[in-house]
Amino acid sequence: AQKVTQAQTEISVVEKEDVTLDCVYETRDTTYYLFWYKQPPSGELVFLIRRNSFDEQNEISGRYSWNFQKSTSSFNFTITASQVVDSAVYFCALTEDGGATNKLIFGTGTLLAVQP
Amino acid sequence: DVKVTQSSRYLVKRTGEKVFLECVQDMDHENMFWYRQDPGLGLRLIYFSYDVKMKEKGDIPEGYSVSREKKERFSLILESASTNQTSMYLCASSLEGPRDTQYFGPGTRLTVL
Repeated sequence: AQKVTQAQTEISVVEKEDVTLDCVYETRDTTYYLFWYKQPPSGELVFLIRRNSFDEQNEISGRYSWNFQKSTSSFNFTITASQVVDSAVYFCALTEDGGATNKLIFGTGTLLAVQP
Repeated sequence: DVKVTQSSRYLVKRTGEKVFLECVQDMDHENMFWYRQDPGLGLRLIYFSYDVKMKEKGDIPEGYSVSREKKERFSLILESASTNQTSMYLCASSLEGPRDTQYFGPGTRLTVL
């Protein structure tokens, strides 16, 4: 069965600290896609990154970086030198190539609070 | 940029009322989705449409119906609203397949009294 687990419900850090958000997934498909979304207090989900199952290369975009490891079924997200504007709920999600509805399977989200 | 808009940010309705939530996308996407977001449960798919007039049930379709008469517009209908349908409703669209990113609207926070 497909499942996405974000074990960290809430994280609180002080500005400029680095923080890693964990994501562990389960799927039987060999072809699948992983996503991270950010949901600020305004409520809109903002797309951050997409990764396919055949591309294990880590990615860096400014202060954001992602570590994809198929061996541990993890797709972790690190924010370097966090800022107050990073405060949001972050969701990890999965779609499968063999799925009937193309639906995103979401984790329950991690609330990140960055204190000034 | 992809733009997905939803007709209302906040809505208050009474039990038993018929409720329409509208979603419009401007990127000629084939797929449109309605999700519901509740604390501790994440987002769950209500309905999915892959073409005009085509729909598939998601994980929690009970109490809801949908309509897609035009490619850019996807409506969620609560035939007879109940208090357990108080929630945040998020619409999304994507180009075609599961590899394509889903882009979300701003959400509608519905309260049923």
